[in-house]
Amino acid sequence: GAVVSQHPSWVICKSGTSVKIECRSLDFQATTMFWYRQFPKQSLMLMATSNEGSKATYEQGVEKDKFLINHASLTLSTLTVTSAHPEDSSFYICSAEDRGNQPQHFGDGTRLSIL
Amino acid sequence: AQTVTQSQPEMSVQEAETVTLSCTYDTSENNYYLFWYKQPPSRQMILVIRQEAYKQQNATENRFSVNFQKAAKSFSLKISDSQLGDTAMYFCAFGFIQGAQKLVFGQGTRLTINP
Repeated sequence: GAVVSQHPSWVICKSGTSVKIECRSLDFQATTMFWYRQFPKQSLMLMATSNEGSKATYEQGVEKDKFLINHASLTLSTLTVTSAHPEDSSFYICSAEDRGNQPQHFGDGTRLSIL
Repeated sequence: AQTVTQSQPEMSVQEAETVTLSCTYDTSENNYYLFWYKQPPSRQMILVIRQEAYKQQNATENRFSVNFQKAAKSFSLKISDSQLGDTAMYFCAFGFIQGAQKLVFGQGTRLTINP
């Protein structure tokens, strides 16, 4: 079946640093990937839609300059949290569609902790 | 805009019992997908079952089945012969037929299966 790999699974870093999270579709091409954020005991909140070869579409209230998304190939999208602060600590999870078809396949998520 | 509502924040049943999780949604689309995702403590998002709105027959996957009432915009999940491994957060989600569009998630139901 379709597999999405997300890396790293857990990262701890100091306030002010930038952190890059990778989302790869291993056995299919994904023209569109999605980035979600999940707070403890809450649902998934869509942050942005990542489109291969074009700019990402951000949801209302999500800072584009804080959360940089790059979708340079059909199998890789990256989310960079720039100048991270403790309030950016959260669980980030990506998903991808196989050639635009449902269902979306999810990565295992990244737990980000900013000290 | 699409909305998904799960009115049961938490549920708890004994092993081997049957449990039903509720989900209602709102949309003006005529054709769409509905999903149930399971998120165990490992936080992976696992697709449990999906339903295409134009199909009248309720979807079934082993012990998991749905009761899809399109007119009432209701999509409940029934878990038969519940097992300890079914303990997880369960999210109901709405998906568009046309690809490259986000999933809309409900708030989630925390299900605990007791031995």
